[in-house]
Amino acid sequence: GAVVSQHPSRVICKSGTSVKIECRSLDFQATTMFWYRQFPKQSLMLMATSNEGSKATYEQGVEKDKFLINHASLTLSTLTVTSAHPEDSSFYICSATPRQGGFYEQYFGPGTRLTVT
Amino acid sequence: AQSVSQHNHHVILSEAASLELGCNYSYGGTVNLFWYVQYPGQHLQLLLKYFSGDPLVKGIKGFEAEFIKSKFSFNLRKPSVQWSDTAEYFCAGYNQGGKLIFGQGTELSVKP
Repeated sequence: GAVVSQHPSRVICKSGTSVKIECRSLDFQATTMFWYRQFPKQSLMLMATSNEGSKATYEQGVEKDKFLINHASLTLSTLTVTSAHPEDSSFYICSATPRQGGFYEQYFGPGTRLTVT
Repeated sequence: AQSVSQHNHHVILSEAASLELGCNYSYGGTVNLFWYVQYPGQHLQLLLKYFSGDPLVKGIKGFEAEFIKSKFSFNLRKPSVQWSDTAEYFCAGYNQGGKLIFGQGTELSVKP
C-alpha cells in the first residue's frame, strides 16, 4: 500500500511554456502533499506544502506565481511550472501523507525530470 | 530536528564490508528521524524511522539505525553490504514547523 504516482516521469519543454506535473496517491487519501525539488547530486528541498481544498504554503524563496500548486482532491495535487526557463530544469518530487497514518508518514512519488530548452 | 547533516558524501565499499553512515541532527524538541534510500532511477523509499522508544531501530533490507540523544546522532548501519545496496541514502527529520528536512545525502558505491 501507500503508493504515490507522478505524471509525467520526464518532460522536455521550450523556454516560456508551462508544464503541469500531477501527483496522485493511489491507495490512500492524502490530507497533505508536499513538493520537493532535487538538483543533481544534491538533497531534496521542500518547495511547498499543499493541503486539500486550501492554498499551498510556499517555502521562502519559492515563487508562488511561477510554481502553481493545486490540491483539488484528497488524491491529486498538481504543480504547474509557468513560463519555464532553463534554470527551472530539475527533478521534482512529490510526497503525500496518509489521512490515517499520522502527520509524520510521507510516501514519495517517483519524481518528474523537467528539462527546459 | 532543526537541521540534519550527513558528513559522508561518497562511501565506497566492497561487498560484505560493514557500513555505517553518519547523520547528525540539531535538537528541536520532539525527535522524528528517518533514513530513506534512493536507488538509481527510482523513487525514495523509507528504510526505517524513529519516533520514540527503543533507540535501536530495525529497518528493511537488513539496515538498522541507533538514536543516540547525547550525540545528536542517528547513524545508519548494515553489517554486510551487497552490490545491490548501491544507492543514495538520505537522513531526514522533522523540524518544529512540521517540515521534513533532508541531509545532503550519501552516495554509497558497493564494488562486487
